[in-house]
Amino acid sequence: DAGVIQSPRHEVTEMGQEVTLRCKPISGHNSLFWYRQTMMRGLELLIYFNNNVPIDDSGMPEDRFSAKMPNASFSTLKIQPSEPRDSAVYFCASSFRTSQETQYFGPGTRLLVL
Amino acid sequence: DAKTTQPTSMDCAEGRAANLPCNHSTISGNEYVYWYRQIHSQGPQYIIHGLKNNETNEMASLIITEDRKSSTLILPHATLRDTAVYYCIVLNRDDKIIFGKGTRLHILP
Repeated sequence: DAGVIQSPRHEVTEMGQEVTLRCKPISGHNSLFWYRQTMMRGLELLIYFNNNVPIDDSGMPEDRFSAKMPNASFSTLKIQPSEPRDSAVYFCASSFRTSQETQYFGPGTRLLVL
Repeated sequence: DAKTTQPTSMDCAEGRAANLPCNHSTISGNEYVYWYRQIHSQGPQYIIHGLKNNETNEMASLIITEDRKSSTLILPHATLRDTAVYYCIVLNRDDKIIFGKGTRLHILP
């Protein structure tokens, strides 16, 4: 298996633009997680899906952030409009069943909002 | 907040065993201890987990005290590639992983 796949790996955009990050979980995994990592706040869970259904989105910072999982093999995290403080590394992870199981992380998307 | 306490940083000589401590004095009976690490510019990587008994795999060993209030991750023969931030995690009742600040392990040549 190729592991968790994220795209793009790097994104540079200007403030106010829409940003879409993509994730393909490991085949057969039923849970998907989006994390954000910054120097100041460390690694934070944004949202958690189980069987394509959002279970916990309490970590989503504000309405500018939205996440979808239309099917078991694809998820998106969208920021609209983007702001400089959204600059971070965004990781996607998947696990076989629940968040209590081992999570496998993708390589991350490095986002810079100018 | 993370339910664990770890030293901010540690050094270990290459080839020696690296012993990373973690305090989780408020752990509940059904909560597991997980260890992940994050090598620079990469996503976190699962290492090992345990409930009560000591565990060993190809990467490391996990020693959990009898009262489960602390644990130690052991990398038996550290190499330069083991330089990373190591996170000790106790899964909370909301099934949400909370990564603390971890321990920055430097393997010295």
